[in-house]
Amino acid sequence: KQEVTQIPAALSVPEGENLVLNCSFTDSAIYNLQWFRQDPGKGLTSLLLIQSSQREQTSGRLNASLDKSSGRSTLYIAASQPGDSATYLCAVFTGGFKTIFGAGTRLFVKA
Amino acid sequence: EAQVTQNPRYLITVTGKKLTVTCSQNMNHEYMSWYRQDPGLGLRQIYYSMNVEVTDKGDVPEGYKVSRKEKRNFPLILESPSPNQTSLYFCASRGPQETQYFGPGTRLLVL
Repeated sequence: KQEVTQIPAALSVPEGENLVLNCSFTDSAIYNLQWFRQDPGKGLTSLLLIQSSQREQTSGRLNASLDKSSGRSTLYIAASQPGDSATYLCAVFTGGFKTIFGAGTRLFVKA
Repeated sequence: EAQVTQNPRYLITVTGKKLTVTCSQNMNHEYMSWYRQDPGLGLRQIYYSMNVEVTDKGDVPEGYKVSRKEKRNFPLILESPSPNQTSLYFCASRGPQETQYFGPGTRLLVL
């Protein structure tokens, strides 16, 4: 059974710092992996989608990588800002059409 | 504007009173899905649908029903709600090799 783990569960950093969020999954047979952002009490906003054949995707200050063979993905945030404070979720879309989410990393960026 | 809409956004009901949460998308996506989000448990998939009249169970389908009679709509039905179904519910849709787009969420309280 596919399991998705995100480490750390929470992270507090000063503004301007570069940071890395980690996501690991147990079954490498994934279709794609997606990173989301969720603000308190709000819905999910898609950040980046990586297809299983891709190694990384970039959008602005965000870069996501995927290593299927080792079951890992990382989300790199450059020059963090207070507005980046949110919970970050990764989700894998499996070959069986299910989506499995990690529990998320709660990020706080201090001004 | 591409979007997923859910109604109602907030609902308080009593145990055993049947309810339906509607979900609609305007992106002509074939794949739609329902999730629940609970503190400490994260997002878990309830049901998903790969196309009209094609649905399948996610990880937590007990106590829920779905139907997919039209491509744009995917209602979630609670025939006899119980307090353990108190949760935040999200509907999502995705096209082929595309990101999942999430609705704004429905906060349900079952007394």
